[in-house]
Parts: sequence; structure tokens; C-alpha cells
Amino acid sequence: EAQVTQNPRYLITVTGKKLTVTCSQNMNHEYMSWYRQDPGLGLRQIYYSMNVEVTDKGDVPEGYKVSRKEKRNFPLILESPSPNQTSLYFCASSYPGGFDEQFFGPGTRLTVL
Amino acid sequence: ELKVEQNPLFLSMQEGKNYTIYCNYSTTSDRLYWYRQDPGKSLESLFVLLSNGAVKQEGRLMASLDTKARLSTLHITAAVHDLSATYFCAVEHNFGNEKLTFGTGTRLTIIP
Repeated sequence: EAQVTQNPRYLITVTGKKLTVTCSQNMNHEYMSWYRQDPGLGLRQIYYSMNVEVTDKGDVPEGYKVSRKEKRNFPLILESPSPNQTSLYFCASSYPGGFDEQFFGPGTRLTVL
Repeated sequence: ELKVEQNPLFLSMQEGKNYTIYCNYSTTSDRLYWYRQDPGKSLESLFVLLSNGAVKQEGRLMASLDTKARLSTLHITAAVHDLSATYFCAVEHNFGNEKLTFGTGTRLTIIP
């Protein structure tokens, strides 16, 4: 089954404790992206990647890091989480050049205390 | 800076009625996308609009794009309860750039 998976689905952590949210897709997509969703703000793009070893900043990259060492994986790293990073995070993937079938993962709800 | 505005933010309508959701954006772009999100769920791609005058239809939903006016509309025809969801538009910053800005969403509730 074609899908984007994220882990963990739910996470409660404390300020400053490094964490990684994994994202993996099995559709051989070149393009992957991370978004955060907050009430009243819609989705905001954090980082995106056009292909392996190619990443770029979205609208809200501060406090986040990403890496794209393999085509299928695009982890989101919070080196020192803060409470303002409490949010619902979505990973997505597609073929580049049109987002014609952008597939979203199930979401990761992160709470930083 | 690209800004994307949707209106209305909330829409409650009766089954069988027609309505339109509007998506305005602030800078030139030829690519606009519509997504649907059910409560507690992830997002689902609905439409991809890639040029001025593009129109796409799926069932009771029809989306169009006017790049000169920087406006897209999502029209709902004869609404049914199953269409209750939050709808987002998203605009690509520049051709091939792949950077997206989303609107804040329109929460649509269809009342029987």
C-alpha cells in the first residue's frame, strides 16, 4: 500500500530534550516536506526536500533541522524543543513539478512542556 | 512575502445548497492546490490548478483559478453531509520552487 508513515504519532516531552520525528514513504517520491498545523494558522511549511541531499527552508524553519540521506526518509529534528513548538506535524511526499498527488502522513502530535 | 487568504473561515450550510469558498493570494503564482481535512485526520489532495483559467471538477466540487485576479474558488454544488470538512488552498511561490504557503482553511459544516 502506497503510504507515508510518521513516528511517533504522539509525543510529550520537556523543553530542551532533543527529539526526532521520522517520516518514510514507499512511493519513490523525490519531493518530501514537513508542515506544522496550528489552530487558526493553517499549515505552515517548515522544510522541504527536492531530492536526496537537497533541502530548503519553508516559511517557519527556526528551531528545526532536517536531513535527506535516503530517498525514502526525511526525519525532522528538534535539537532543543521549546513550548512554542507544540503542534501537529505532517510529513508529505510527491513527485516534483506539480504536487499532483501529494500524500500526507497521519500526523504527529507533539507537546513540549 | 506570499500571503494566502481564505474566506469564509467558517461556513455552515444546508444540504442541497450551493456555495463558494474563496482563496486570494498576494503575489504572482500559476500553481494552486486544494486539500481536504476531516476532523482528526490527515490531508487529502483534491485539486491541482496549474494555469490561468484552469478548472477541475470532482463530484459536487469544482475548483477554478484566475491568476490575473490572484483568486481561486472552490464551488460546492448541492451540498451533502459527506462534504463536511476543512478545506485548504495552498499556493506555490514560484514555478519549480516547490515552496508552498497554505491558507488558514475553511471549516465547512453541512446541516441536514
